[in-house]
Amino acid sequence: EPEVTQTPSHQVTQMGQEVILRCVPISNHLYFYWYRQILGQKVEFLVSFYNNEISEKSEIFDDQFSVERPDGSNFTLKIRSTKLEDSAMYFCASSESTAGGEQFFGPGTRLTVL
Amino acid sequence: RKEVEQDPGPFNVPEGATVAFNCTYSNSASQSFFWYRQDCRKEPKLLMSVYSSGNEDGRFTAQLNRASQYISLLIRDSKLSDSATYLCAVGFSGGYNKLIFGAGTRLAVHP
Repeated sequence: EPEVTQTPSHQVTQMGQEVILRCVPISNHLYFYWYRQILGQKVEFLVSFYNNEISEKSEIFDDQFSVERPDGSNFTLKIRSTKLEDSAMYFCASSESTAGGEQFFGPGTRLTVL
Repeated sequence: RKEVEQDPGPFNVPEGATVAFNCTYSNSASQSFFWYRQDCRKEPKLLMSVYSSGNEDGRFTAQLNRASQYISLLIRDSKLSDSATYLCAVGFSGGYNKLIFGAGTRLAVHP
């Protein structure tokens, strides 16, 4: 069964450093998403991406964040200068369609900012 | 008012019990509805989509009430393996279907 994959599973970084989280969405999916979940809190939408551009972003997704689809398979989330409060699980998701389309989540990257 | 609200639980039930979860949403423009299951420190796994006509998948039944803006999940004949957090998610078609999640309801099934 096709699945979303993410690397690394755990990333530890120092405050102020840049991190890139990687995702490989399900191959025939066209819509890609990043969500995050701070420990003990709910899953929060960050950004959606379609046709090589951002379609929507949340207030959390400020100038420190960027997304890219550098090739036909990878989808990345970059945080330019990490803060302590960026520590969270980051989940990538993909969907075949947008209209009521089911989103499938990857296993997540646990980001720890020291 | 929160966009998507769930009773946090925990619901502690014995094996074989029937348990029901509700979820309310505030935005009447919501277009799609889902139940996800999340195990500790794992990703949300899609359990089922929720349709206006209601839908059933084995021991799981989901219902949508648009007039009252709530969705429900019924689990029959609970198994130990059903122990998890159940997340309600609501999508908006105008927003490329970004999902707004509830905080989840924790279920603990005991022998």
